[in-house]
Amino acid sequence: KAGVTQTPRYLIKTRGQQVTLSCSPISGHRSVSWYQQTPGQGLQFLFEYFSETQRNKGNFPGRFSGRQFSNSRSEMNVSTLELGDSALYLCASSLADRGNGYTFGSGTRLTVV
Amino acid sequence: AQSVSQHNHHVILSEAASLELGCNYSYGGTVNLFWYVQYPGQHLQLLLKYFSGDPLVKGIKGFEAEFIKSKFSFNLRKPSVQWSDTAEYFCAVGMRFGAGTRLTVKP
Repeated sequence: KAGVTQTPRYLIKTRGQQVTLSCSPISGHRSVSWYQQTPGQGLQFLFEYFSETQRNKGNFPGRFSGRQFSNSRSEMNVSTLELGDSALYLCASSLADRGNGYTFGSGTRLTVV
Repeated sequence: AQSVSQHNHHVILSEAASLELGCNYSYGGTVNLFWYVQYPGQHLQLLLKYFSGDPLVKGIKGFEAEFIKSKFSFNLRKPSVQWSDTAEYFCAVGMRFGAGTRLTVKP
């Protein structure tokens, strides 16, 4: 079965711009989580969506937002980009109860210049 | 607030050496514990998981982890590492991840 698909793979944006990242989960997975990965910081949890509702949220500013569609696909939006937003953004999907862990996508590498 | 701590930032071992990577968490309720691995140039993969039952869990590629509730720990072990184990290892409690430990195995 197809894995978690994230698009685009790479993005270069300018400070102040906004960006939208997309994630298609594994078929049948209804939970989608987003993470920011930077060297030395590990994976920082952004938020989790389940059945189009945000179920959990990390400690990121309101510039970071997301949504989930009825087909479980999810998008993440970052507005007013800052240099510090440069990172690998990972999407992970799981079954409803999360108990089996997450399946990760390859990520979107965002560079803010 | 929940947190996950991985003690070692970078571990360097020779092939056939034994491995133990530490993971501690701060959360008093029921926890689902995971170890993930990220090989160079690849995406994160689930190595093993613990929900309940036997506190010693076995994962793929000869890895195992022991859940010690009294110590809030979930350390990862492997008796004899190989060069191909070179990767970054992440401990997770539910959706919260540690900062990761980079393992370098010298041939």
